[in-house]
Amino acid sequence: AQSVTQLGSHVSVSEGALVLLRCNYSSSVPPYLFWYVQYPNQGLQLLLKYTTGATLVKGINGFEAEFKKSETSFHLTKPSAHMSDAAEYFCAVTSNNAGNMLTFGGGTRLMVKP
Amino acid sequence: DAGVTQSPTHLIKTRGQHVTLRCSPISGHKSVSWYQQVLGQGPQFIFQYYEKEERGRGNFPDRFSARQFPNYSSELNVNALLLGDSALYLCASTTYGTGNEKLFFGSGTQLSVL
Repeated sequence: AQSVTQLGSHVSVSEGALVLLRCNYSSSVPPYLFWYVQYPNQGLQLLLKYTTGATLVKGINGFEAEFKKSETSFHLTKPSAHMSDAAEYFCAVTSNNAGNMLTFGGGTRLMVKP
Repeated sequence: DAGVTQSPTHLIKTRGQHVTLRCSPISGHKSVSWYQQVLGQGPQFIFQYYEKEERGRGNFPDRFSARQFPNYSSELNVNALLLGDSALYLCASTTYGTGNEKLFFGSGTQLSVL
């Protein structure tokens, strides 16, 4: 069985500050890890994914995440927050190479203050 | 190109009724997945279909069923609706089979059960 824990259901940062959203996973097999963003009244959009290879993954909109097997973590970061980054962020895991049948965390709502 | 389209966007039903939700994948995508997102939680996997066959099922009761048509569109059916079925139902499509899939999500159908 797989599971994802996102620490902090709400995170507030000032515009221009570092964004750090935490994700820890549990998986009995090598995981494939994802970060999705959801804007109000919209579906989910893929930010980045880790499958194999380089553990530092760069995604869209300046986001990146680092896979740390020893810590079972896949935290999402962005050096400088923008007002448009305010949204709900979801970490997800699967053992499926096709990237389907995802198990999602509970989500973190990011608020950006001017 | 059109993205994943879902209909209807909003739906209100009463307990015990039946509901059918529809999804049209991106042109060329042969796999469709369904997720349930209860307010304040992450999406939960319900079904995955590929080439009209069920390829995965989440932990949902038999009241939930789905099918995929020859044109790769899909329906999700829920019988004997319960208040707890109130949620945003998301459909996602992907090519499936290339080993590097990316899920594309629709904006969802918001189901309210009264």
